Amino acid sequence: AQKITQTQPGMFVQEKEAVTLDCTYDTSDPSYGLFWYKQPSSGEMIFLIYQGSYDQQNATEGRYSLNFQKARKSANLVISASQLGDSAMYFCAMRGGGLTGGGNKLTFGTGTQLKVEL
Amino acid sequence: DTEVTQTPKHLVMGMTNKKSLKCEQHMGHRAMYWYKQKAKKPPELMFVYSYEKLSINESVPSRFSPECPNSSLLNLHLHALQPEDSALYLCASSRMETGGPLGSPLHFGNGTRLTVT
Repeated sequence: AQKITQTQPGMFVQEKEAVTLDCTYDTSDPSYGLFWYKQPSSGEMIFLIYQGSYDQQNATEGRYSLNFQKARKSANLVISASQLGDSAMYFCAMRGGGLTGGGNKLTFGTGTQLKVEL
Repeated sequence: DTEVTQTPKHLVMGMTNKKSLKCEQHMGHRAMYWYKQKAKKPPELMFVYSYEKLSINESVPSRFSPECPNSSLLNLHLHALQPEDSALYLCASSRMETGGPLGSPLHFGNGTRLTVT
């Protein structure tokens, strides 16, 4: 079974500052993928960044980077130079493979509501 | 603009009605998904279609009936719903992967906000 934990229900950050959103996971699959999604109040789920379990380097996409610590089973999202438009719900999610056939199942954490302030 | 299109955006239905939610993608993805999301909660997987065949059903009540007529379309037929079924219903698609690091993201539509009265 896969489990994703996000321990920060809400976070505040000042505009132009960096913020880290925490995510820990648990899985018995040897191979898995970790994703972060952004969901504004409009409801759309927007894919931000991906980290594979075998990737040696941390993923980066523009202002988003993923601090991947495999031994600690953590995959924290770092947003640099926060903007007002970054205010949204952020979900960490995982897809696992292995022999269970659950490769196409994306499991979400409970989310972190981020508010960017002036 | 999202590449996964869902219609309608909003739907209000009574408990005796029959309605359908529709989802369309033209990215050539062969995996399609239905998720249900209650307010301030994460999306919960309902169904997965792989190559137009139902591959995962997360013990969803039979009042929800999915259908995948072709590789681009996914429907969710609704009948005799309950007020607690009111939620945001999200459709998604992705490339098929059955092993390895599973790096293909799911692409989501904007969802259908369903209210059951």
